[in-house]
Order: sequence, then C-alpha cells, then structure tokens
Amino acid sequence: RKEVEQDPGPFNVPEGATVAFNCTYSNSASQSFFWYRQDCRKEPKLLMSVYSSGNEDGRFTAQLNRASQYISLLIRDSKLSDSATYLCVVTRTGGTSYGKLTFGQGTILTVHP
Amino acid sequence: EPEVTQTPSHQVTQMGQEVILRCVPISNHLYFYWYRQILGQKVEFLVSFYNNEISEKSEIFDDQFSVERPDGSNFTLKIRSTKLEDSAMYFCASSGSGDIEKLFFGSGTQLSVL
Repeated sequence: RKEVEQDPGPFNVPEGATVAFNCTYSNSASQSFFWYRQDCRKEPKLLMSVYSSGNEDGRFTAQLNRASQYISLLIRDSKLSDSATYLCVVTRTGGTSYGKLTFGQGTILTVHP
Repeated sequence: EPEVTQTPSHQVTQMGQEVILRCVPISNHLYFYWYRQILGQKVEFLVSFYNNEISEKSEIFDDQFSVERPDGSNFTLKIRSTKLEDSAMYFCASSGSGDIEKLFFGSGTQLSVL
C-alpha cells in the first residue's frame, strides 16, 4: 500500500465550481499534514497545513480525520489560476526525522472558463 | 519574500560524469534538504542536513550521492557517476528553527543524463 494515496484525476471543472480532493495515508505515526500546490514543472509550494479541527484559508478548506487516516481539501469558487497539481503531504517528526516530507502522486485540477 | 535559489536551472551531462547541483538556502534557515522528481512521478525525499552533517537519507541516496555546505551560504548535491535513471528535477529546500516542517523549495535543477 502506498504511504500517501490520492485520486490522480484529472478534475476538469468550470470557473466558480466547488471541487474536493481526498487523500489517505498508511502510517498511523504520521504527525503533520499539508497540502502543496505544484504548477507544471515548477517547485511545490505550501498551500496550507491541515489540522484535526479543520482549517480554512479563503476559498480553501482542509480537514484531517486521524481515525480514518484521511485528509481532504475543498476549493470553493474555483478560479482559472487554481489550475495546478495538488499534492497531499505527510511527515513524522521526532529524532532526526524532520522535514522528511512524503508526497502523494498529486491530483491534477484544470479549471476552464 | 526570501527564496531558495538553485543553479543551474538545466544541466545536461553524459552518463558516468560527475555533476554538482548548487543551492543557496534562505539565509537564516538551518535545515536543508534535497528532493527529486522523476518526470511523471511523485516528489521524493533524498536527504536532510543540519549542523554540517546528514540527519537522514533515503534509499535513493546511495554512495554515488553526497552533500556539502562548503561555506556559509551554499548547499550542494554531488552525483559522482551519473546514471540514466538519475535524470530528474532536483529540488533544494530549507526550513527555519521556528517552523522546521515548513519547507521552502527552490525552483529546481532539471538534470538530463544522456
């Protein structure tokens, strides 16, 4: 089983749509969770951290369910500029294991006019 | 906004040659990393570096790979004898002591081994 699994998509949605991405992780020892965004052939950029209590940043809402080992990202009112690959990332902290991010394969989103 | 700088942006080399990829992390960061992404695949961790030594490395980071912080600003990745399968985008990243898990990535070096 992959450490981090995502639906690869692609998701093709019109501007203004709401779209949700899901991610599951296999290692219950995982402690920190993130969503990154990656544009074509560019570096990953941190979109937001994910907490059990859920967190929101503008049009973006992230949620973590530790019991189910499941992470989600909701994008409301999609913009053309949201077109990118969305990467689910988990990490474990402790000892020398910091900054060792485990990435999912990514979910491709295309927002069209 | 401070950023991680990588040079060169593209590197083409012959199989068996040595390459050095260079990175300038964010100036007040203390933790440094290399990741790579083979075309069409996921981003993979290679190595983390702190206090002038390797903290952790992945299975990919074998004896052909080495990292160095030769001075107070640069962080390099050396591949001693490149293989075709080393062709990938290599990303350098750094993080600060205030939020170690928040990594800032450079724009990458595309390495092509012929």
